[in-house]
Amino acid sequence: KAGVTQTPRYLIKTRGQQVTLSCSPISGHRSVSWYQQTPGQGLQFLFEYFSETQRNKGNFPGRFSGRQFSNSRSEMNVSTLELGDSALYLCASSLSLAGGPRGELFFGEGSRLTVL
Amino acid sequence: AQSVTQLDSHVSVSEGTPVLLRCNYSSSYSPSLFWYVQHPNKGLQLLLKYTSAATLVKGINGFEAEFKKSETSFHLTKPSAHMSDAAEYFCVVSDRTDYKLSFGAGTTVTVRA
Repeated sequence: KAGVTQTPRYLIKTRGQQVTLSCSPISGHRSVSWYQQTPGQGLQFLFEYFSETQRNKGNFPGRFSGRQFSNSRSEMNVSTLELGDSALYLCASSLSLAGGPRGELFFGEGSRLTVL
Repeated sequence: AQSVTQLDSHVSVSEGTPVLLRCNYSSSYSPSLFWYVQHPNKGLQLLLKYTSAATLVKGINGFEAEFKKSETSFHLTKPSAHMSDAAEYFCVVSDRTDYKLSFGAGTTVTVRA
């Protein structure tokens, strides 16, 4: 069974640009959640999508957005990039809502974004 | 709102000796608790979870954790550390009312030969 796939794995952008990251969940998983990981702030929850609907959202500015498609694949977008957006962005999928019954998270290896 | 505190940012052990990673939580309701491990340049992997069944939970790779409600703790242990256990470990709590997850700051484990 294929795991969670994130693309691209590494990317470099400059301030002011935008970026789109992609996540393909494990087959049959309906929830996809996104996390930002930095040495200073640790792991922070961005948002969760379940059946194409955003179900939970963390405390990030509106520059961070996401969506989920009918096949459960998800994308997140960051507009007007800032230096502080440099991070490892992790995607996780689960059968049901993250944290709930059958909500164990399966993580991808992440997309490492560097903003210059 | 729930929160979780990992009491040690770094733990160093010798190979073959026990490992103890400490986690305290706060939650308004009966929580679900998880431990995840992250090896360098990898995503997180679930080690074990507590969801109100047995208070002693066994996970993968010889790890186990005990839920102690009176102490609001969920400490992770392993009787004998292996070099492959060198990684970062995260304690996570979920509030069963809204399923929002809170991650601890992580504990980095170093294993000495």
